Amino acid sequence: GNSVTQMEGPVTLSEEAFLTINCTYTATGYPSLFWYVQYPGEGLQLLLKATKADDKGSNKGFEATYRKETTSFHLEKGSVQVSDSAVYFCALSATSGGGADGLTFGKGTHLIIQP
Amino acid sequence: DAGITQSPRHKVTETGTPVTLRCHQTENHRYMYWYRQDPGHGLRLIHYSYGVKDTDKGEVSDGYSVSRSKTEDFLLTLESATSSQTSVYFCAISDTADTQYFGPGTRLTVL
Repeated sequence: GNSVTQMEGPVTLSEEAFLTINCTYTATGYPSLFWYVQYPGEGLQLLLKATKADDKGSNKGFEATYRKETTSFHLEKGSVQVSDSAVYFCALSATSGGGADGLTFGKGTHLIIQP
Repeated sequence: DAGITQSPRHKVTETGTPVTLRCHQTENHRYMYWYRQDPGHGLRLIHYSYGVKDTDKGEVSDGYSVSRSKTEDFLLTLESATSSQTSVYFCAISDTADTQYFGPGTRLTVL
């Protein structure tokens, strides 16, 4: 079946540091890949996505590139801020327009940014 | 933000009682989903719907049922709540069965 593996953390960084959160996946076919962010007490917000190999998703300074050869979708940001403190989820969708059987999530990475 | 509301936002109930959670959307999206979030597990799919009266089971469906009588509403029912169903429940919607948008969540505690 499908699965997503990501570092759980907590990951603690200083403000302005470079961020990488690793995400690897197992899936049949050609999944779409997503990063969601969850701030304390809130629901999940879509951060970025990529739908095919070599696509780069980007938003709010975050980037991730769909690497089919390494089955990875690592999240990066060049200079983190305290406001980036949150839980980040990597997810995949193994359906594309046809079926509807939900997203497969990693367990989430808790990111803490210290001033 | 996608127009998704969940009610109630918080609920405390006792073991053995029935509980219904409601998800309401104003986006007219075809697909709706219920997930539960637990520490160490991420989010796991409970049930989903691909149209009015069309539903199917997800990864952790035991002890839960759903109904969708209108496009905008998707109900999750715990027929007889157990302590293992203490969790945060999220509803999500999608128009393409690909990208999903999430509601604010319902925190359920079963004593």
